[in-house]
Amino acid sequence: KNEVEQSPQNLTAQEGEFITINCSYSVGISALHWLQQHPGGGIVSLFMLSSGKKKHGRLIATINIQEKHSSLHITASHPRDSAVYICAAPDRGAQKLVFGQGTRLTINP
Amino acid sequence: ETGVTQSPTHLIKTRGQQVTLRCSSQSGHNTVSWYQQALGQGPQFIFQYYREEENGRGNFPPRFSGLQFPNYSSELNVNALELDDSALYLCASTPGGGRTDTQYFGPGTRLTVL
Repeated sequence: KNEVEQSPQNLTAQEGEFITINCSYSVGISALHWLQQHPGGGIVSLFMLSSGKKKHGRLIATINIQEKHSSLHITASHPRDSAVYICAAPDRGAQKLVFGQGTRLTINP
Repeated sequence: ETGVTQSPTHLIKTRGQQVTLRCSSQSGHNTVSWYQQALGQGPQFIFQYYREEENGRGNFPPRFSGLQFPNYSSELNVNALELDDSALYLCASTPGGGRTDTQYFGPGTRLTVL
């Protein structure tokens, strides 16, 4: 069973700050997902990565497969980035994703 | 906009009742997964369907059941509702086998059981 842990659980920052959210998992995986969930529930897939780094606008995701660790970074954060960020990893041998508890990010103007 | 829709958006039921939640996936997406997300928690996997067959199940009792139809729609049925079933129910579809594909989530159905 793959356990997925995120940190921090809550993060409050000022507009413009550089944000880092961390994700650790217990079982070797082939790909990891980063998701964004806004109030009201809708989930958007941000990244799926299996090695190295991916960048999309101000969002950067990195993964270290050997260390079983991934990070999501937000540069020049903005209040509209306020959301819950969730990482998810496949459960070994099972056709499902295991989700972290999420990190609630609040960016104040 | 993920192309995945869910209905209804909100629903209130009482204990013991039955509920059916619906999901419409993108055309060509053969796999649909259903998740339950309690308040303040990450989503928990309920089950997955691939080409109309159940393809994996999480730790949910048999009163949680599902169907997938050839037109890329699916249903989640919950019988004998309990208070703890109150949650956001999400479906997600992918073109292929599921776990390493990008998942396209619907907006969710928020179920309240009184």
